[in-house]
Amino acid sequence: NAGVTQTPKFQVLKTGQSMTLQCAQDMNHEYMSWYRQDPGMGLRLIHYSVGAGITDQGEVPNGYNVSRSTTEDFPLRLLSAAPSQTSVYFCASSYGIGPTGNTIYFGEGSWLTVV
Amino acid sequence: ELKVEQNPLFLSMQEGKNYTIYCNYSTTSDRLYWYRQDPGKSLESLFVLLSNGAVKQEGRLMASLDTKARLSTLHITAAVHDLSATYFCAPPVSSGSARQLTFGSGTQLTVLP
Repeated sequence: NAGVTQTPKFQVLKTGQSMTLQCAQDMNHEYMSWYRQDPGMGLRLIHYSVGAGITDQGEVPNGYNVSRSTTEDFPLRLLSAAPSQTSVYFCASSYGIGPTGNTIYFGEGSWLTVV
Repeated sequence: ELKVEQNPLFLSMQEGKNYTIYCNYSTTSDRLYWYRQDPGKSLESLFVLLSNGAVKQEGRLMASLDTKARLSTLHITAAVHDLSATYFCAPPVSSGSARQLTFGSGTQLTVLP
């Protein structure tokens, strides 16, 4: 059971480049989400999904796109990378429609640097 | 706007001592999550508190929830070095089509020998 898998683990981008962070889970979870964590801070929600074909914005969605074509995958796209998007990105998933009491499983994180 | 405040933000304590981390939040939530994060690592789930008055214990850690006071505590008993980490509380709050976790800034705990 792999849990929540994120790729890549490390990435350096130039300003203006685009890229996709991949997230896959093998637990048949309905709820998936993306967070970013900046130094010395807690996690902030970027986008989330409560099922295939359904996505919604979180607290800090600007500059990011998501889609959910399958239950297993929830990629995060950076359209035109900016230095302010330098951060650690975490994908998370759970049963149900979100953190209503179910355990939330986090991936290992993706360290992104935009230069 | 929901605010989640943890205190202290930094905690240095001696092995064997007891201490409590406090988590205050500004919007009604009937449950709360606690996580642990080691440097450069992901988040590890510690507790999910599901109701007012809930108390859960695991080893040297005990968490409680008072939804009326909008307060959760994480109590550390007889600290050991392995407990050194950053601890986050996160109440789920209704937003959009689902509840969402809103994280505090974290409490960085260092246990000294």
